[in-house]
Amino acid sequence: GENVEQHPSTLSVQEGDSAVIKCTYSDSASNYFPWYKQELGKGPQLIIDIRSNVGEKKDQRIAVTLNKTAKHFSLHITETQPEDSAVYFCAASRVNQGGKLIFGQGTELSVKP
Amino acid sequence: DADVTQTPRNRITKTGKRIMLECSQTKGHDRMYWYRQDPGLGLRLIYYSFDVKDINKGEISDGYSVSRQAQAKFSLSLESAIPNQTALYFCATEGQSADTQYFGPGTRLTVL
Repeated sequence: GENVEQHPSTLSVQEGDSAVIKCTYSDSASNYFPWYKQELGKGPQLIIDIRSNVGEKKDQRIAVTLNKTAKHFSLHITETQPEDSAVYFCAASRVNQGGKLIFGQGTELSVKP
Repeated sequence: DADVTQTPRNRITKTGKRIMLECSQTKGHDRMYWYRQDPGLGLRLIYYSFDVKDINKGEISDGYSVSRQAQAKFSLSLESAIPNQTALYFCATEGQSADTQYFGPGTRLTVL
């Protein structure tokens, strides 16, 4: 079945550095790729998403890139801050084709002050 | 008030007991989901419902059942809980655009 692989599982950076999390997906028909942030004791929250008709999307310090040929997409966080510390999940789905979100395994990001 | 609520937030129970986890939403969404989260495994889909009369199994439905009592309510039951069902459980809703999912705060379930 469809699956999404996410790396790394843990990531530690110094405040101000950049962080990159990568995901690969198996279903070539996937067309929607969201990223969720889960803070301690809370449910995941959408932080950014990208659809298959664009290659990059940016929102302030976060950006997502998509390479459909290679079937991978990445989350980039610049100028990291301690409040960026959380677990991040990537996901993939076929929007409007009855597809469900398939989640990656999660990345625990720690930003050290 | 939170748009997606889950009760209880924490539950400790014993092997063999029947447990019900409840989810309510005020977003007016038709689509609702139940996920299970385990360390290193991400979020895995247990059951989902696209409207009140629609119930579908996800990838790990064995040992679980659900009830969609109304558009706003979706309950998950463990008929006879076992220790490997110890996990964090999340409910989520999704609108007709079928993209963004909104998650509840989760229920931490421990089966002894």
